[in-house]
Amino acid sequence: NAGVMQNPRHLVRRRGQEARLRCSPMKGHSHVYWYRQLPEEGLKFMVYLQKENIIDESGMPKERFSAEFPKEGPSILRIQQVVRGDSAAYFCASSLRGGGRHYEQYFGPGTRLTVT
Amino acid sequence: TQLLEQSPQFLSIQEGENLTVYCNSSSVFSSLQWYRQEPGEGPVLLVTVVTGGEVKKLKRLTFQFGDARKDSSLHITAAQPGDTGLYLCAGATKQTGANNLFFGTGTRLTVIP
Repeated sequence: NAGVMQNPRHLVRRRGQEARLRCSPMKGHSHVYWYRQLPEEGLKFMVYLQKENIIDESGMPKERFSAEFPKEGPSILRIQQVVRGDSAAYFCASSLRGGGRHYEQYFGPGTRLTVT
Repeated sequence: TQLLEQSPQFLSIQEGENLTVYCNSSSVFSSLQWYRQEPGEGPVLLVTVVTGGEVKKLKRLTFQFGDARKDSSLHITAAQPGDTGLYLCAGATKQTGANNLFFGTGTRLTVIP
């Protein structure tokens, strides 16, 4: 998948715990996107970040979810007090450019979160 | 709301047959991308089309973007078992600054040897 790394690949959490999902973009990419794929549903955009900035979080649930992309290190998607409905595959994508007409997003292998 | 509908939802064919899957919307997209996703993996980018009427070929796969940039099609010639997977179209719009992709509902293709 073109070098986007995500970990862990599988994560099991009990209701009420916190989940932290990590994403390292492709080398040279500074634009990161998070998507969620619920069972039997399509991929849905959550948030778009550049280094140290959240650009678009229009798809992010208002509570319990947060994302960051620090100057150093991977992007983190954090889910506090997880509930069963958070069980899904979470995908990270990165692009060389963002906000323009021509850009391509490359996806990581995803993190499959299961809330028990 | 940008909505991309793909058809058919499921398709099962014999090896060697041709097929076409469709991606339709009432919205205009500045670019449209096709991905293939295998179970347990992330989507893999196949192609990006940006110009209305554009046709791109990738070996046995032919992608077309509609003149009005509202729809697209993927045609596979002489399908092989390795083509099995979930095919997703995804569009980017100028309204959102092309920051996020709207994904279609997907076509799950099975090619039987």
